[in-house]
Amino acid sequence: AQSVSQHNHHVILSEAASLELGCNYSYGGTVNLFWYVQYPGQHLQLLLKYFSGDPLVKGIKGFEAEFIKSKFSFNLRKPSVQWSDTAEYFCAVSLSSGTYKYIFGTGTRLKVLA
Amino acid sequence: EAGVAQSPRYKIIEKRQSVAFWCNPISGHATLYWYQQILGQGPKLLIQFQNNGVVDDSQLPKDRFSAERLKGVDSTLKIQPAKLEDSAVYLCASSLEGGAFTEAFFGQGTRLTVV
Repeated sequence: AQSVSQHNHHVILSEAASLELGCNYSYGGTVNLFWYVQYPGQHLQLLLKYFSGDPLVKGIKGFEAEFIKSKFSFNLRKPSVQWSDTAEYFCAVSLSSGTYKYIFGTGTRLKVLA
Repeated sequence: EAGVAQSPRYKIIEKRQSVAFWCNPISGHATLYWYQQILGQGPKLLIQFQNNGVVDDSQLPKDRFSAERLKGVDSTLKIQPAKLEDSAVYLCASSLEGGAFTEAFFGQGTRLTVV
């Protein structure tokens, strides 16, 4: 069965530290990849997405992610986090076959200390 | 652009009672999704509509959950009877179409507590 794994469940960083959140998926076919963010009390919002082309994609608020097909990974990065990045981050995969449903990872809760 | 609207925001019911959630997607969005998000887990797709037809309901517990999307716009999700393990946030999302290159927009969710 297809699945998405996020190995870091809780991450605590100080402001200006660099961030990397891991995301791995299990599916041998073509995928579309997303990172969503959920700020406290708000709805899920799209950070960035990968469909094809350059495997390094840039999103909003200085976030970027790199698709490494050989590793089935789509890790999220930010060079310097801010207190306002405190949120929960979800990796999601949409499979390019069937009904294109989104499969989400379990999420990573990030806390940035001021 | 108005977002995905959901109501109510919170609901507390006793087990074996019934409950219904409502969702109004973004205007013009053909695809509507209902997700269940249990605390500490990622959202799990319950059902996906394309206009008013069901595209995927493979993870919907059909003995107690039902959903409909009349006229291809608003949707309701019902649980009857509720169990303790149904306590979760129920998220509605919509997208322009259900294809592979489509971004989903989410509502704020309904937090259900079953006691």
